[in-house]
Amino acid sequence: NAGVMQNPRHLVRRRGQEARLRCSPMKGHSHVYWYRQLPEEGLKFMVYLQKENIIDESGMPKERFSAEFPKEGPSILRIQQVVRGDSAAYFCASSKLAGGGYEQYFGPGTRLTVT
Amino acid sequence: TQLLEQSPQFLSIQEGENLTVYCNSSSVFSSLQWYRQEPGEGPVLLVTVVTGGEVKKLKRLTFQFGDARKDSSLHITAAQPGDTGLYLCAFPYGGATNKLIFGTGTLLAVQP
Repeated sequence: NAGVMQNPRHLVRRRGQEARLRCSPMKGHSHVYWYRQLPEEGLKFMVYLQKENIIDESGMPKERFSAEFPKEGPSILRIQQVVRGDSAAYFCASSKLAGGGYEQYFGPGTRLTVT
Repeated sequence: TQLLEQSPQFLSIQEGENLTVYCNSSSVFSSLQWYRQEPGEGPVLLVTVVTGGEVKKLKRLTFQFGDARKDSSLHITAAQPGDTGLYLCAFPYGGATNKLIFGTGTLLAVQP
């Protein structure tokens, strides 16, 4: 049973380019969470999605960041016009259901470097 | 404001030593989780504690939830190099959303 898959594992972008990060949840999981890990800030929640719906995006920066989880295919975290401050590790987690008692399984992360 | 403060921030010890890391807050939690994150990987859940005063053991790791459910500790006995990693406490926040709020982390290095 494959775990959460993320690609690419490493991504280098120049300032102003777009970054697209992909997350395939575990089989049977329809809930996806994105987190960002910055050295000085730790691991922070960004957005929670179910299939075709954004449920909670309270941790997403208001501009340049968007997320989707289509009916078919992986969840995508998209960062437009990247800046150096976007350099971080981005983790996706999936769970079978939301709410208490349901474990989130994390992927290996995508390390974004903005030059 | 950081809801979960972990201490120490860094810890470097020799193989075979014992250690304790702490997770503290002024808030009361319905449950608390501990994760371990190895370099270049995502966090992996070690344990969930739910009841005040609860103690859970996972091989050489002992987890305790404070009586008032505001703090937790992780004790490792006879640490091994394979224990090296970032230890994070976290709590699920937001009711049905279940998004995780993570602590500041303790980076542990066990030298052979």
